[in-house]
Amino acid sequence: SAVISQKPSRDICQRGTSLTIQCQVDSQVTMMFWYRQQPGQSLTLIATANQGSEATYESGFVIDKFPISRPNLTFSTLTVSNMSPEDSSIYLCSGTTDANEKLFFGSGTQLSVL
Amino acid sequence: QKEVEQNSGPLSVPEGAIASLNCTYSDRGSQSFFWYRQYSGKSPELIMSIYSNGDKEDGRFTAQLNKASQYVSLLIRDSQPSDSATYLCAVNFGNEKLTFGTGTRLTIIP
Repeated sequence: SAVISQKPSRDICQRGTSLTIQCQVDSQVTMMFWYRQQPGQSLTLIATANQGSEATYESGFVIDKFPISRPNLTFSTLTVSNMSPEDSSIYLCSGTTDANEKLFFGSGTQLSVL
Repeated sequence: QKEVEQNSGPLSVPEGAIASLNCTYSDRGSQSFFWYRQYSGKSPELIMSIYSNGDKEDGRFTAQLNKASQYVSLLIRDSQPSDSATYLCAVNFGNEKLTFGTGTRLTIIP
């Protein structure tokens, strides 16, 4: 498995601002994903980060709110735009290196929006 | 709608006993199944994967899969306090993505 470094680990932000979360993998991964985990909830997939092209978003998530970049096979960013308190959550990036989709995760970003 | 269901618990098990965690899923054609452990404030870590019917053992952990019943379980033998965590069941419904259940919170009582 690979190791994913995710930053920041936590942040407190003001309503209406944006935060960019970065993930760096120590080896090439085939797929990268961004998940959200709200307090006491399970993981909800936001989008698949596609290398060199636009991300594929799940129902309920849109590019204007959660722009994602993946310029190469080891790096991706997620921006949470125009934040509101409802965006307070843990955001997790993840990746897989095999066809059976064994996912491994970054350490997560705990976001609080005031 | 592809769904993964788990009993949210909490499930309390005495130290040394067997903890049994259960998961059902909605699509009989699913091929890949995973159990993740998540400690409070930490990210999920993969502990077991299973792809075919039957049992798969890894140390104190045994994953059991019954595709006909759309059921996957995780047994933890000789439970330790360090096993106290939330256990997430995840299923690949054939679309290269994992869908997670809501998780079962397990507490091992010393």
